[in-house]
Amino acid sequence: GAGVSQSPSNKVTEKGKDVELRCDPISGHTALYWYRQSLGQGLEFLIYFQGNSAPDKSGLPSDRFSAERTGGSVSTLTIQRTQQEDSAVYLCASSLRAGITDTQYFGPGTRLTVL
Amino acid sequence: AQSVAQPEDQVNVAEGNPLTVKCTYSVSGNPYLFWYVQYPNRGLQFLLKYITGDNLVKGSYGFEAEFNKSQTSFHLKKPSALVSDSALYFCAVRDRDGNTGFQKLVFGTGTRLLVSP
Repeated sequence: GAGVSQSPSNKVTEKGKDVELRCDPISGHTALYWYRQSLGQGLEFLIYFQGNSAPDKSGLPSDRFSAERTGGSVSTLTIQRTQQEDSAVYLCASSLRAGITDTQYFGPGTRLTVL
Repeated sequence: AQSVAQPEDQVNVAEGNPLTVKCTYSVSGNPYLFWYVQYPNRGLQFLLKYITGDNLVKGSYGFEAEFNKSQTSFHLKKPSALVSDSALYFCAVRDRDGNTGFQKLVFGTGTRLLVSP
């Protein structure tokens, strides 16, 4: 079946602009995760959704970052007033449930470059 | 908090030789461990996981990993490397928040595997 998809695959923006990154999880997966992969920081957790609610937002780097999920499916990660340090690959993952044995399946990522 | 360490930034191996990519973990309670692979300009692909049971876990593409509780290790192995195995490999551990029950993956820093022809 179809895997996790993300759009756009690449995004170049100017400092100070807002960007929206989209994630389509695997159909039927209730849990959705956002991670960020950047040089020097490795892979870091940003936020997690169970259904449409986000029980844990502790990984969001600043209040410029927000995310939502509607209909228990598609999620959007929004970065306001982008800064150069936001440049990274943003990865989305989904799992059938949020149980400890549930495997997270990742999308191809969105490479964000802030000039 | 749970953590994993990948002590090698890069591993070089000749095609046809066995490969090992090292991972050690630090957890309280039972460890739930994962290996993922990332090919250039691609997302992470799941290889295998250890939850409980046999210490030798078999996964995708001929990879396997050995869980060793006494050495707190979960090394990734393959008997015969292929050039196409060249990629970035991540070890991860499931970290569970005691209050919310929420679980996320905590990743190692990654090991680049280069398989030469």
